[in-house]
Amino acid sequence: EEQLVESGGGLVQPGGSLRLSCAASGFIFNTYWMHWVRQAPGRGPVWVSLITGDGTRTSYADSVKGRFTISRDNAKNTLYLQMNSLTADDTAVYYCARDLQYSSDLWGQGTLVTVSS
Amino acid sequence: QSALTQPRSVSGSPGQSVTISCTGTSSDVGGYNYVSWYQEHPGKAPKRIIYDVGKRPSGVPDRFSGFKSGNTASLTISGLQAEDEADYYCYSYAGSYTWVFGGGTKLTVL
Repeated sequence: EEQLVESGGGLVQPGGSLRLSCAASGFIFNTYWMHWVRQAPGRGPVWVSLITGDGTRTSYADSVKGRFTISRDNAKNTLYLQMNSLTADDTAVYYCARDLQYSSDLWGQGTLVTVSS
Repeated sequence: QSALTQPRSVSGSPGQSVTISCTGTSSDVGGYNYVSWYQEHPGKAPKRIIYDVGKRPSGVPDRFSGFKSGNTASLTISGLQAEDEADYYCYSYAGSYTWVFGGGTKLTVL
């Protein structure tokens, strides 16, 4: 079964850092681009970041550029999101999602990040 | 990277059809045939129901259809069923390896 499982969320103080992980299974991970998408409570999803299958190309939403870093370890079938300088506006459920033909066909269950003092 | 514009809510009775619009710009919706639609039930991850403007993934009923004209994409749900009540989001490639979601539409089945 194809599956994505996020972890690493939690409560962090403003200005703090957190690293999210997304473990992939059931498919050939290194052949897929991967996204991070976040959804604040009661709001719609927002695209955050993309990384290509070989990790050579990354992109970010303007709201996180310079603060977040996406990466992957294809040997471990794992996607990461390093988040620094966090603010309350970053509070959201963070999903990893697999890209297929410029849309996301497989999603994880999400991990909640709460930024609060 | 402005969100695509969707109506906040639509409603319909069982068996009826509803259409949800998604308006962007020539830099996203109008510039690429990479518009997808997602259905989201409370507490669940979004589920892709349309991709490449009008294609349905395996297992999605043909009651769901997608279309695009210019900078506006549309999702039509025909033969409404109670289980269709959910939030719906459009999603478009916006060039330079970036993507943008719509603000979402709440569908109420009366």
